[in-house]
Amino acid sequence: QLQLQESGPGLVKPSETLSLTCNVSGGSISSSNYYWGWIRQPPGKGLDWIGSIHYTGSTYYNPSLKSRVTISVDTSKNQFSLKLNSVTAADTAVYYCARATSGGPNDYWGQGTLVTVSS
Amino acid sequence: DIQMTQSPSSLSASVGDRVTITCRASQTISSSLNWYQHKPGKAPKVLIYFASSLQSGVPSRFSGSGSGTDFTLTISSLQPEDFATYYCQQSYSTPRTFGQGTKVEIK
Repeated sequence: QLQLQESGPGLVKPSETLSLTCNVSGGSISSSNYYWGWIRQPPGKGLDWIGSIHYTGSTYYNPSLKSRVTISVDTSKNQFSLKLNSVTAADTAVYYCARATSGGPNDYWGQGTLVTVSS
Repeated sequence: DIQMTQSPSSLSASVGDRVTITCRASQTISSSLNWYQHKPGKAPKVLIYFASSLQSGVPSRFSGSGSGTDFTLTISSLQPEDFATYYCQQSYSTPRTFGQGTKVEIK
């Protein structure tokens, strides 16, 4: 059974960089059929797609965040990562990592991790 | 970006009711439409993909229909465990935008 688990600091200061890692177990991240992505949910709001990566390194970002976001993959560790720089309080959210099929849904998700931006 | 608009934003229903949620895309997305159920403190769960395909393990009371720009999620007989927020998402192009959500509450 595929499992995804987010890890990283739960508190980040304004103007600093938010860094999260998603560890994938029970399957290989190096599959041509899947993309690995990040989705967030600010408190009281809906789901916001951040971006995704293929194991080959091809990345796709939400234009609303593109200037601040980097998603990378480490196939040797079977994990992928999110970096969001110059954060503000508006970046406070539960961050989920998830697998997506090509042209299809996000079918496996991590449990989510709350990241709060505050001094 | 493709904008996804759900209606209603919330609804109150009773156990056993038939519930219908609609989702409209700002441009055609063929059948690249997914539906998720989201409960507080849990990860979203995919119910329907490619507009009408039922995800493995999802009860048959959930169904989806539509193509092009207009889509529908139907719960044929609402059960207590179905009270949640439902989101549509287009997977036609990036960014893979979500609708704003529909909260299904107990009447």
